[in-house]
Amino acid sequence: GNSVTQMEGPVTLSEEAFLTINCTYTATGYPSLFWYVQYPGEGLQLLLKATKADDKGSNKGFEATYRKETTSFHLEKGSVQVSDSAVYFCALRTQGGSEKLVFGKGMKLTVNP
Amino acid sequence: SQTIHQWPATLVQPVGSPLSLECTVEGTSNPNLYWYRQAAGRGLQLLFYSVGIGQISSEVPQNLSASRPQDRQFILSSKKLLLSDSGFYLCAWSHRVRTEAFFGQGTRLTVV
Repeated sequence: GNSVTQMEGPVTLSEEAFLTINCTYTATGYPSLFWYVQYPGEGLQLLLKATKADDKGSNKGFEATYRKETTSFHLEKGSVQVSDSAVYFCALRTQGGSEKLVFGKGMKLTVNP
Repeated sequence: SQTIHQWPATLVQPVGSPLSLECTVEGTSNPNLYWYRQAAGRGLQLLFYSVGIGQISSEVPQNLSASRPQDRQFILSSKKLLLSDSGFYLCAWSHRVRTEAFFGQGTRLTVV
């Protein structure tokens, strides 16, 4: 079946540090891949997405590249801010097939000033 | 533009009491609808999804149920809550042909 494995944390960084959150997936066919962010007490917001191999999604300084050869979609940011403190979820959805969005377990990031 | 509304935002209910959480979507038609639960310190668990009125798929056997009485309305219910039902419940929708899902603000349920 389809599944997502990601770093679970929690992770604490200092402001302006480099961030990488690893995400790998298992899926039949060619899934679309997503990163969602959840700020405290809120629902999930789509951060970025990629729908085919070698696509790079980017938003708010975050980037992730769809790597079919390594089945990965790692999230990166060059310089984190305190406002980036949140829980980050990697997710996939197979195209034209299942109606379901499959999530990783999420990783809590805290950025200290 | 499309919006999703979920209520209430917080709820404290005694064990054995009934539950009804409501979710509505505006600005689109024939959406796929989802209920997820997020327990403390854990990831997202898909509870139910629906591709149309009256069509409900259950992912996890439990004492919860879902209904879709109208195209853009999705309701999560229980006849008798358990302590283990406490958690953060999230409603979401997606287009049939696009792939990302959009989430409501969530309901924090505490069963006491």
